[in-house]
Amino acid sequence: NAGVTQTPKFRVLKTGQSMTLLCAQDMNHEYMYWYRQDPGMGLRLIHYSVGEGTTAKGEVPDGYNVSRLKKQNFLLGLESAAPSQTSVYFCASSYSSGGGRETQYFGPGTRLLVL
Amino acid sequence: SQQGEEDPQALSIQEGENATMNCSYKTSINNLQWYRQNSGRGLVHLILIRSNEREKHSGRLRVTLDTSKKSSSLLITASRAADTASYFCATVFPYNTDKLIFGTGTRLQVFP
Repeated sequence: NAGVTQTPKFRVLKTGQSMTLLCAQDMNHEYMYWYRQDPGMGLRLIHYSVGEGTTAKGEVPDGYNVSRLKKQNFLLGLESAAPSQTSVYFCASSYSSGGGRETQYFGPGTRLLVL
Repeated sequence: SQQGEEDPQALSIQEGENATMNCSYKTSINNLQWYRQNSGRGLVHLILIRSNEREKHSGRLRVTLDTSKKSSSLLITASRAADTASYFCATVFPYNTDKLIFGTGTRLQVFP
């Protein structure tokens, strides 16, 4: 049982390049989330999904797109990377929202540097 | 922004001492969770307190919630060097229970 895994662990991009971050969970969770973490800012929600085939915007969705084609995977895409997207990206999943009572399980993070 | 604020931003103590960190938020909540993050790692859930609860314990952790003051505190008793980490509160608002809104975090350093 691997929990939540993220690929890649670290990536360097040039401004304007595109990339996709992959999150996978093997806990049969319905809900999945993408956050970014910047120094002094805590975690901010980018997009989330409440089930296969669904996505919704979080607090900071601009410049990102997501897809949830399979229940166990949640992809985060950057179409045209900008230096402001340099950050650490965390994926999380939960069984449901349970009125917000459910624990979120986090992946180890992806460090992205945009030059 | 609905993001919570944590206080202090950083805290340094000796092993055996208690550590208290506070979280304040702006609007009514359904519940509040605390998470720990070790350096370079993902977050790990510690404890949840519902809006109708005032205090909750889990091992060496004690969480309080004061909805009138819109604040919560996390107390770690008899700290250990292994407690060194960042601690985040996360709130759930009634208008959207699908999302957690994380605070800015408290960095705790426990010296042996």
